[in-house]
Amino acid sequence: DSGVTQTPKHLITATGQRVTLRCSPRSGDLSVYWYQQSLDQGLQFLIQYYNGEERAKGNILERFSAQQFPDLHSELNLSSLELGDSALYFCASSVALFGNTIYFGEGSWLTVV
Amino acid sequence: TQLLEQSPQFLSIQEGENLTVYCNSSSVFSSLQWYRQEPGEGPVLLVTVVTGGEVKKLKRLTFQFGDARKDSSLHITAAQPGDTGLYLCAGAREGQKLVFGQGTRLTINP
Repeated sequence: DSGVTQTPKHLITATGQRVTLRCSPRSGDLSVYWYQQSLDQGLQFLIQYYNGEERAKGNILERFSAQQFPDLHSELNLSSLELGDSALYFCASSVALFGNTIYFGEGSWLTVV
Repeated sequence: TQLLEQSPQFLSIQEGENLTVYCNSSSVFSSLQWYRQEPGEGPVLLVTVVTGGEVKKLKRLTFQFGDARKDSSLHITAAQPGDTGLYLCAGAREGQKLVFGQGTRLTINP
């Protein structure tokens, strides 16, 4: 158990819909990262927050957005969903802004039908 | 262009064999991490190497950081089906977020 909690674990939704994925980082961690992993692919970095502020942005679509709240939990919002958005979405956390070790949650499986 | 290149991308071998996977870059890293990811689960940290030339052992797994801190290798002795998974290396540089390689997908056949 990494200490990073993600909900929901599985989600099936229709094209065009909007979903919200939630992440609670490890206790004491200020950085939260979001990654997307499609079938048989590596990890694609989406976005990073540190202590409530966006600090790094990767290949995140405009239809996706995220935020980190004062209690440090984070949400990833995915809207106007397309079939190609089906993937595993991971949240990870670290203590530092540029932590050399990050800890992953178990992921949220999103299936768009 | 991948900053960290992992090879091979796919490897399927029989139980009991030895194997080595590689993580290479033209950049210098302050540290390098190896993660293992099993199907449907999140990556789990295996080891962090920090010093050039450092070797760390984790049971049958041996990790080495290159002398110049640009590359790393993971050697598994007498592979077992439980070693099956996606092995990811990740490099840290001062003031920058962690960079991941694309992974080596390892299958150990009984």
